[in-house]
Amino acid sequence: QKEVEQNSGPLSVPEGAIASLNCTYSDRGSQSFFWYRQYSGKSPELIMFIYSNGDKEDGRFTAQLNKASQYVSLLIRDSQPSDSATYLCAVMGDMRFGAGTRLTVKP
Amino acid sequence: DADVTQTPRNRITKTGKRIMLECSQTKGHDRMYWYRQDPGLGLRLIYYSFDVKDINKGEISDGYSVSRQAQAKFSLSLESAIPNQTALYFCATSASFYNEQFFGPGTRLTVL
Repeated sequence: QKEVEQNSGPLSVPEGAIASLNCTYSDRGSQSFFWYRQYSGKSPELIMFIYSNGDKEDGRFTAQLNKASQYVSLLIRDSQPSDSATYLCAVMGDMRFGAGTRLTVKP
Repeated sequence: DADVTQTPRNRITKTGKRIMLECSQTKGHDRMYWYRQDPGLGLRLIYYSFDVKDINKGEISDGYSVSRQAQAKFSLSLESAIPNQTALYFCATSASFYNEQFFGPGTRLTVL
């Protein structure tokens, strides 16, 4: 059974802090990894994707991938209250999503 | 106009009724997917289709069926709805197997 695991949270950080979200996956052959943001009652929207080991930065967001350890993470720098949402980790080759981590950024 | 649309957006029905949820896309993607989302369980794949002639079961296909009427249309049916099928249903599309999926706005289904 292929699994994608995330801490459900909630994760609470103060405004301006770094939020760190983690995800592990079981299929060692997985190749593409995505982070989606989902506001309550809305559809998921893409934040970042990463295919290669290492870091990938896009504005305040950094995705990190370590295939040997089978984990992928998302860092959100200078967190804003508008970042408060559920973040879903997805492994696209397996079409599997984690259960999501709920992030709250407090002003 | 939205690239991926779903109808209806909300539906309340009774146990035993047949329900069809419809999805249309204008992105020109071959791949389409149906997911359900329950609180605390994330998105779970029901069915997916690589093209009009290719339909595959996902993780939780029991109690559901699908029809790919055209490249742009993918429908999900519940032949005899039951209360534990109450959930938020999302349709999604992608250009290829490993690329980003684009989601519709979702259908909130309640089975009484």
